[in-house]
Amino acid sequence: DARVTQTPRHKVTEMGQEVTMRCQPILGHNTVFWYRQTMMQGLELLAYFRNRAPLDDSGMPKDRFSAEMPDATLATLKIQPSEPRDSAVYFCASGFYRDRGTYEQYFGPGTRLTVT
Amino acid sequence: SQQGEEDPQALSIQEGENATMNCSYKTSINNLQWYRQNSGRGLVHLILIRSNEREKHSGRLRVTLDTSKKSSSLLITASRAADTASYFCATDALNGGSQGNLIFGKGTKLSVKP
Repeated sequence: DARVTQTPRHKVTEMGQEVTMRCQPILGHNTVFWYRQTMMQGLELLAYFRNRAPLDDSGMPKDRFSAEMPDATLATLKIQPSEPRDSAVYFCASGFYRDRGTYEQYFGPGTRLTVT
Repeated sequence: SQQGEEDPQALSIQEGENATMNCSYKTSINNLQWYRQNSGRGLVHLILIRSNEREKHSGRLRVTLDTSKKSSSLLITASRAADTASYFCATDALNGGSQGNLIFGKGTKLSVKP
């Protein structure tokens, strides 16, 4: 049963520290999404990639966030420096093209980040 | 920015009852999808309905779509305690559908009491 994996599952860090979250998409899926979920804002799209190329990262604070796909099996989301307002659950999802312009997304279990 | 808005925000019912959740959206869409999220977990895809479809069924799930009103509803029949979760609608904007990105609502929190 293919699944999206994310590491770490939980991360507690101090303000100013660098945080790196990793995602392994489902083999064969060519699109990877990064989301952030908070009670206040709900689920926000931060960035996404198609065939490892960034398509849109307009949802990300550019000064501190960066997203990369060094290879087809790994996507990373980095925050440097981290701030308390970054505390959230970060989800990675991988997707594939179904038909007629439709994509289906499969979510990982998320990384719960707490910045103190 | 939010595209889909679910209603109600929270719903509490008894096991065996039906649960209906609604979603409204703002722009023209290619398709609308419903996802479920159990506490502490990622979202799971439930069902997809295309803009040219009006109703779709999958097991105990029934989804309707009214593009003239820009709204959709998710009906769960004969609910079970295991259906307790948050339910999200997600839309892709018509002109962005080829990119695959979805915009999610804030969800309806469903609680099914045994």
